[in-house]
Amino acid sequence: DTGVSQDPRHKITKRGQNVTFRCDPISEHNRLYWYRQTLGQGPEFLTYFQNEAQLEKSRLLSDRFSAERPKGSFSTLEIQRTEQGDSAMYLCASSSGLAASTDTQYFGPGTRLTVL
Amino acid sequence: AQSVSQHNHHVILSEAASLELGCNYSYGGTVNLFWYVQYPGQHLQLLLKYFSGDPLVKGIKGFEAEFIKSKFSFNLRKPSVQWSDTAEYFCAAPYSSASKIIFGSGTRLSIRP
Repeated sequence: DTGVSQDPRHKITKRGQNVTFRCDPISEHNRLYWYRQTLGQGPEFLTYFQNEAQLEKSRLLSDRFSAERPKGSFSTLEIQRTEQGDSAMYLCASSSGLAASTDTQYFGPGTRLTVL
Repeated sequence: AQSVSQHNHHVILSEAASLELGCNYSYGGTVNLFWYVQYPGQHLQLLLKYFSGDPLVKGIKGFEAEFIKSKFSFNLRKPSVQWSDTAEYFCAAPYSSASKIIFGSGTRLSIRP
């Protein structure tokens, strides 16, 4: 399968712990996106990379969240000092085309985070 | 677009019924619009998109959507639904910065066999 993969698929953690998620995009895609989705809502934009450069970060993202894409391939999303409000599905997507605004994004299966 | 609204949260139809799901966006310059679908247990995937040209866009699985600029709408339609169309449907558009895509809250479609 050459689609977007995410690891782990599920993560249960205690409040205050740090967690890290990984996303492997489709290999030839230069754009990578992270979203958060809660029940009954659509995906909420968190951040965007073009190659290794983080070009946009949502104002909703607190300082506890950080994302990297060190070699322009896989990406990691870290949440420090998790809070119960961080419980959500974290989605990764990748794309490649003329512009992010017209690209088709290909989504991974998501990582479901539960903070106890 | 500045925002994307989907007013139908849950739609229940019988097989063979016609479908129309509403999507409205607020004006924000160049308009690019998407419909994504998430079937049960599967990833989000693109149904169709519009960014120029013919305002009537055809997508996969018999879906189509019409961009009506005067109404700020991009409603999704299908003339005859099947049980396999049971899914959650999301309308989306780029925010003022083109790399940020905003999604509507989604419409859950349930089809009675």
